[in-house]
Amino acid sequence: SAVISQKPSRDICQRGTSLTIQCQVDSQVTMMFWYRQQPGQSLTLIATANQGSEATYESGFVIDKFPISRPNLTFSTLTVSNMSPEDSSIYLCSVQTGQGNSPLHFGNGTRLTVT
Amino acid sequence: AQKVTQAQTEISVVEKEDVTLDCVYETRDTTYYLFWYKQPPSGELVFLIRRNSFDEQNEISGRYSWNFQKSTSSFNFTITASQVVDSAVYFCALSVTNSGGSNYKLTFGKGTLLTVNP
Repeated sequence: SAVISQKPSRDICQRGTSLTIQCQVDSQVTMMFWYRQQPGQSLTLIATANQGSEATYESGFVIDKFPISRPNLTFSTLTVSNMSPEDSSIYLCSVQTGQGNSPLHFGNGTRLTVT
Repeated sequence: AQKVTQAQTEISVVEKEDVTLDCVYETRDTTYYLFWYKQPPSGELVFLIRRNSFDEQNEISGRYSWNFQKSTSSFNFTITASQVVDSAVYFCALSVTNSGGSNYKLTFGKGTLLTVNP
């Protein structure tokens, strides 16, 4: 399976600021996704990061709040904009390395605390 | 819409005990995939198993075994002779195949925190 590196692994940010999370994969992957895991909760898909085009967002998530880039098949960024304490979560990058029904693999996540 | 229910929020066992984590799912699709992931305290999600809706054969991998029963929409996970290193949050997840043949959108359960005490 692919090796997925996320940076930063954790951060403490002030309200109103923005944080960009990077996800680097050691091989080209077909699909890249961003998930959020709020404290004590399950994982929720934020968006699909599309290579060379705008991301596809799930209901409840918008580009202005969570802009995503994917310039190539191995790299993506997620920005959490104008943060509030409610954005405190673990943000996880995930990839699908194969076609069709191959499983998703996840990075180590970014633990974000907003004060 | 898809739904995954993990009714057990927390389970605590003593080392060497067997433990079963329950997972019940809902979907109207006839083709779907079920997954189990492990999230240790370090935070990363570790893929454990994938099962498609047409394969009800139970699977065993070392101390891990999975029981898939479509009749009850359940996909339970058993750890035999548990060890302290098994302590983690375990997530059950469901995906359905879209028109493009991909199953990327996982619906996760809320997870079960398993604590194995020495």
